[in-house]
Amino acid sequence: QKEVEQNSGPLSVPEGAIASLNCTYSDRGSQSFFWYRQYSGKSPELIMFIYSNGDKEDGRFTAQLNKASQYVSLLIRDSQPSDSATYLCAVNNFGNEKLTFGTGTRLTIIP
Amino acid sequence: GAVVSQHPSRVICKSGTSVKIECRSLDFQATTMFWYRQFPKQSLMLMATSNEGSKATYEQGVEKDKFLINHASLTLSTLTVTSAHPEDSSFYICSARDGSLESADEQFFGPGTRLTVL
Repeated sequence: QKEVEQNSGPLSVPEGAIASLNCTYSDRGSQSFFWYRQYSGKSPELIMFIYSNGDKEDGRFTAQLNKASQYVSLLIRDSQPSDSATYLCAVNNFGNEKLTFGTGTRLTIIP
Repeated sequence: GAVVSQHPSRVICKSGTSVKIECRSLDFQATTMFWYRQFPKQSLMLMATSNEGSKATYEQGVEKDKFLINHASLTLSTLTVTSAHPEDSSFYICSARDGSLESADEQFFGPGTRLTVL
């Protein structure tokens, strides 16, 4: 079982719709959760991090965390073609410096 | 936001040569730096973790004698790929943590170095 799992996609979403990206993790001790966006040929850039159960909103992005279900998601509202990228979920334990990355979900926004 | 630079952005070398990649934190002191490798259509693979002034911690399966890491200061880490071979061709990305931040687990990524070994 992979430590951090994501559906590889591709996930196609019409422009203006809500894109929903999901991630599950196996380590119940995980404490911090990150969503990175990676354009083709580029390095990852941080979109959001979340530590507590519930929702965290930042502009068009909302991260949702459910530690009981070991599930974290990212919602992108009003999807734009520029949101087309691979989205990486990463998980960390306090006291452990390393991030564990999922394999990423490729998102395509269709104009 | 925190900025991490990498140099060079792209390098092409002959098999058997060594290549050095620099990673710098430009506007913060990086308590820890990480080196990743990413093959096409695959996720990031952590190679090693380095802390300033101490030896790097390598992930299982990563040869420490082939991938030399030096973290000489709080703003600079280098990765040297020694005796590079075509199978070492990959996208190498560094990241850095700013221990002073509230979100101290957050890693800031450099732009990456694309290595091609002929």
